[in-house]
Amino acid sequence: ILNVEQSPQSLHVQEGDSTNFTCSFPSSNFYALHWYRWETAKSPEALFVMTLNGDEKKKGRISATLNTKEGYSYLYIKGSQPEDSATYLCAVRMDSSYKLIFGSGTRLLVRP
Amino acid sequence: NAGVTQTPKFQVLKTGQSMTLQCAQDMNHEYMSWYRQDPGMGLRLIHYSVGAGITDQGEVPNGYNVSRSTTEDFPLRLLSAAPSQTSVYFCASSYGTSGSSYEQYFGPGTRLTVT
Repeated sequence: ILNVEQSPQSLHVQEGDSTNFTCSFPSSNFYALHWYRWETAKSPEALFVMTLNGDEKKKGRISATLNTKEGYSYLYIKGSQPEDSATYLCAVRMDSSYKLIFGSGTRLLVRP
Repeated sequence: NAGVTQTPKFQVLKTGQSMTLQCAQDMNHEYMSWYRQDPGMGLRLIHYSVGAGITDQGEVPNGYNVSRSTTEDFPLRLLSAAPSQTSVYFCASSYGTSGSSYEQYFGPGTRLTVT
């Protein structure tokens, strides 16, 4: 059974702090990794899709890295703002299966 | 574009009742899927479709049926509702099935309670 683990489960930071969280997955048969941002009462929104070992993606103050050999991805937020408060979901696709396996998310709260 | 739409937003069912959750997308997306979201757990895939006329099971398909007669619509049927099916249901679609074309667009969700 494929297990996608995200840590920490939740995180409280002050406005202006930089933060990062982790997504871990089995490294064999990896195909792609997705990061989503999910604000309360809204739908998940795609942030990044990453496929290659060493991939780095950036969108504004948010960036992500991927290590497929050791089975992890980091999501970084630089200078957190209250509007960054959301649950960040990681999802992994193995082989070329259509199935996305989601982690349970990291819930970020940024205090003003 | 309306994107991915789901109806209803909320539903309460009694055990044993059946119903259909509707999902539609107007982006001409090839791939559509249904997930359920339960507290403390990630989104879990129920069923998916890679095109009209093609469906397949996800992680948790039992108790649910789907069909894909058109590209736009992907309804989810609960055959005989059980309290274990109390959940929030999300429909998602993507343009393709490889690389970044597999980026999923999610609907607003349907909150279902089975008593």
